[in-house]
Amino acid sequence: SQTIHQWPATLVQPVGSPLSLECTVEGTSNPNLYWYRQAAGRGLQLLFYSVGIGQISSEVPQNLSASRPQDRQFILSSKKLLLSDSGFYLCAWSLTGLGNTIYFGEGSWLTVV
Amino acid sequence: AQSVTQLGSHVSVSEGALVLLRCNYSSSVPPYLFWYVQYPNQGLQLLLKYTTGATLVKGINGFEAEFKKSETSFHLTKPSAHMSDAAEYFCAVRASGGSYIPTFGRGTSLIVHP
Repeated sequence: SQTIHQWPATLVQPVGSPLSLECTVEGTSNPNLYWYRQAAGRGLQLLFYSVGIGQISSEVPQNLSASRPQDRQFILSSKKLLLSDSGFYLCAWSLTGLGNTIYFGEGSWLTVV
Repeated sequence: AQSVTQLGSHVSVSEGALVLLRCNYSSSVPPYLFWYVQYPNQGLQLLLKYTTGATLVKGINGFEAEFKKSETSFHLTKPSAHMSDAAEYFCAVRASGGSYIPTFGRGTSLIVHP
C-alpha cells in the first residue's frame, strides 16, 4: 500500500533562518506531488505542485521554493523565513487522473519567531 | 474555471442530530467532487468522492453526499452526529478538461454538543 511521510512534525524557527521540509511517498511511482499551507482559521492554499522530477509549478509568489530531486521526494525550502510563513504545511500526492484521490501527509507545524 | 463554496464556516449540532454541510461548485464541465475531513493537527483524509455513476455516494463513518447537477451542489450529510465527528470538513472539485489541480473550499468546522 502507498504511504506518505513528511517531517519534521513541528519546528520553531527564527525570522531570517532557512527552512527545509521533506516529504516522501512510498508504494507508487511517478506521483503528482503537492505542497499546501493552512494558516490559522483559513482554508488550504496550494503552494507548489509537481508532475515529475525537476518539474515544479508555483501557484503563489513568495520566498518559498520547492524541489523534486527524486521521483517520490518533494522538498519545501526557504532561504530566509518571514513571520508570515508560520502555518501548517501539508504535503500530498495523487496519481494522474481527475477522479483520483489526493492523499495527504500528517502535516508540519512551522512557527516563525 | 472551477470554484467551490462552502456555506457556513462553522456548523453546530447536538449529538444525535442530523449533520448537513453544504457545498456548491461552479464548473462548466462535468465535475469530480470530493469531501475530506481534517481532525486537529492532522492531515486531510478522504470521506467520499463522486466521479461518475450513482449520484448518492456513501463514505466512511456513516457520511454520504448527493451530487445534484441541477443545483450544482454536493452536500454532505450524516443522520446522527457523534462527538467524534467534530472536525474540519473540506469540499473539493476537479473538472474534466481543465487543470487537474483540485480546488478546495475554505472548510466548515463541525462542532458537536453533548
